[in-house]
Amino acid sequence: EDQVTQSPEALRLQEGESSSLNCSYTVSGLRGLFWYRQDPGKGPEFLFTLYSAGEEKEKERLKATLTKKESFLHITAPKPEDSATYLCAVLSGTASKLTFGTGTRLQVTL
Amino acid sequence: EAGVAQSPRYKIIEKRQSVAFWCNPISGHATLYWYQQILGQGPKLLIQFQNNGVVDDSQLPKDRFSAERLKGVDSTLKIQPAKLEDSAVYLCASSLGGGGWSTDTQYFGPGTRLTVL
Repeated sequence: EDQVTQSPEALRLQEGESSSLNCSYTVSGLRGLFWYRQDPGKGPEFLFTLYSAGEEKEKERLKATLTKKESFLHITAPKPEDSATYLCAVLSGTASKLTFGTGTRLQVTL
Repeated sequence: EAGVAQSPRYKIIEKRQSVAFWCNPISGHATLYWYQQILGQGPKLLIQFQNNGVVDDSQLPKDRFSAERLKGVDSTLKIQPAKLEDSAVYLCASSLGGGGWSTDTQYFGPGTRLTVL
């Protein structure tokens, strides 16, 4: 069974204080790793898809990287509007279902 | 482009009552998913449709949950009778393609928050 573990559970940063969120996974045949952002009371919003080890993608202050065992979401100089829960999910085997981690709750303060 | 639409946004019911949720996917998306998200957890897939056929319903509690996707567009998810542990957010998602080898991005709706008293 696929497993996805995210750490830390919660992270509080000051504006401008860069950090990284971790997503470690155990799957049989990774076909894609997805990062989503979820604001309170809303559905997950797609950020990135990574397909193979060594791949990197960037969007504004966010950069996602992938190795054979984990993915990192790096946040550079975060702003209060980056506050949200960040979810990691994997797609593996022959199924199209996403297996999600429990998320990292990020709070960025002034 | 319009996103995934869901209704209602909130629902409060007593245990043993029934409830239904509606989802309209992004236009042209063949695959539709229903997820359950319990507070503090990530979403968990309940059922996946490709067009109007079921691809995966292995985690759907079939004694109380049912879902249909008539004409391969809109979908409804029903719970009858509801239990306290069904309190959660029910998310609908859609993707362009589907099938076992698709890596298409899944786009989520705003969800329906269900409270069972």
